[in-house]
Formats: sequence, structure tokens, C-alpha cells
Amino acid sequence: GAVVSQHPSRVICKSGTSVKIECRSLDFQATTMFWYRQFPKKSLMLMATSNEGSKATYEQGVEKDKFLINHASLTLSTLTVTSAHPEDSSFYICSGSLLTNEQFFGPGTRLTVL
Amino acid sequence: QQPVQSPQAVILREGEDAVINCSSSKALYSVHWYRQKHGEAPVFLMILLKGGEQKGHEKISASFNEKKQQSSLYLTASQLSYSGTYFCGTDDSNDYKLSFGAGTTVTVRA
Repeated sequence: GAVVSQHPSRVICKSGTSVKIECRSLDFQATTMFWYRQFPKKSLMLMATSNEGSKATYEQGVEKDKFLINHASLTLSTLTVTSAHPEDSSFYICSGSLLTNEQFFGPGTRLTVL
Repeated sequence: QQPVQSPQAVILREGEDAVINCSSSKALYSVHWYRQKHGEAPVFLMILLKGGEQKGHEKISASFNEKKQQSSLYLTASQLSYSGTYFCGTDDSNDYKLSFGAGTTVTVRA
């Protein structure tokens, strides 16, 4: 299957700081990338859909000014959590989509905001 | 809209079979199945497309009943490595966005 990487895998930051998470498709060009967050023992919740060269589409209830998404190329999308607070602590996962509609997930980034 | 998965959890002995169901209140274009181990990201298992089909990967197979708007995942002769949480993701808009069910936790014991 296709490989997606995420960096960093874990990050701990102080309240009020910003954190950038990178998502890269390593062996394919992802026409679309998706960002999810997952709380412990819960399902994945779609945050936003990212297409290369265009603005991300955010799901209802997701603050676009807080979760900045940039899709610089067909292999790289970044999520920046701005002015992070403890309630933003979560497992953030990206996925890259092939034209065939299959989504391949990155290994996830565990964010802890103190 | 989030699909409904059942059961919530299942415990199996090695070699036993299990079925996980995923149903939606909307017509579906595709159903995706993933398995997630604790602390890791979900791993893609298979995708079933509109048109109704069955697919298989080793001893894990799935069916998609378009009319009933549901899919089932079949774990046959389960192995210890099958343990994890299984999620179905559904696309009801043909826009590649997936809504995930709450997950089914499968525990396979020796």
C-alpha cells in the first residue's frame, strides 16, 4: 500500500504556543489529503479536506483560524495548531487519497498541551 | 452522518470467526474498512464500491449490500494479529470524505 509519513510523532508544548504537523505522501502523489483528530477510545473525526493549491475545506465546528492547513504540493500538507490549549490535546492523523478513493493514513501525531 | 457499527466489542479464541456490521441511513458510494492497533494509526484493509461487491484479503473478507446500505466484515479463522479496533468509513457524497463508525474492538486470545 501507499505510505504516508507524519512529523513529529509526539509533541508536548506549552499553552499559547503554535505547533506545526507535517504530512507527507512518500511514494504517491496525493490529490487530496485529509486531517482527522481522534480522542482516546473514540472514532476518527474529520477536521478538514485539503487539496493542493487551494484552500482547505473545514468541517462544521472546526475553527479554520485555529487549525491552519497548507497544502504546498501533491506530497506535503501541514496542519498548524495556533495558540494551542489543553483541550487541543489529541491524536492528529492525516491521510492521503489516491484517485481510486482509497485513503492511506499517516502514523499520527500525539499532541499534548500543558 | 456517522455509520453505526455493531457489535461494540467481541472476544474470540484463535481460529474462531466473527462478523462486524456497518450500516448507514444514507445511500453509499463506498465503504472502507480499517484496523487500528492501540497507539497507532488505522491501517487500510479494503474498499468496497457502489455496485455491491465482495472482497477478501487473506482470511478477512467483506461484503457491501447497496440496497440495505450496509457492509459486513468477516474475520475467518481469527489469528492473534487480528486483535485491534476495526472501523468502517463510509462515503455518502462521492466526494472522498469518510464518516467513521465508532469502532468494534476485537480481542483474539490464544
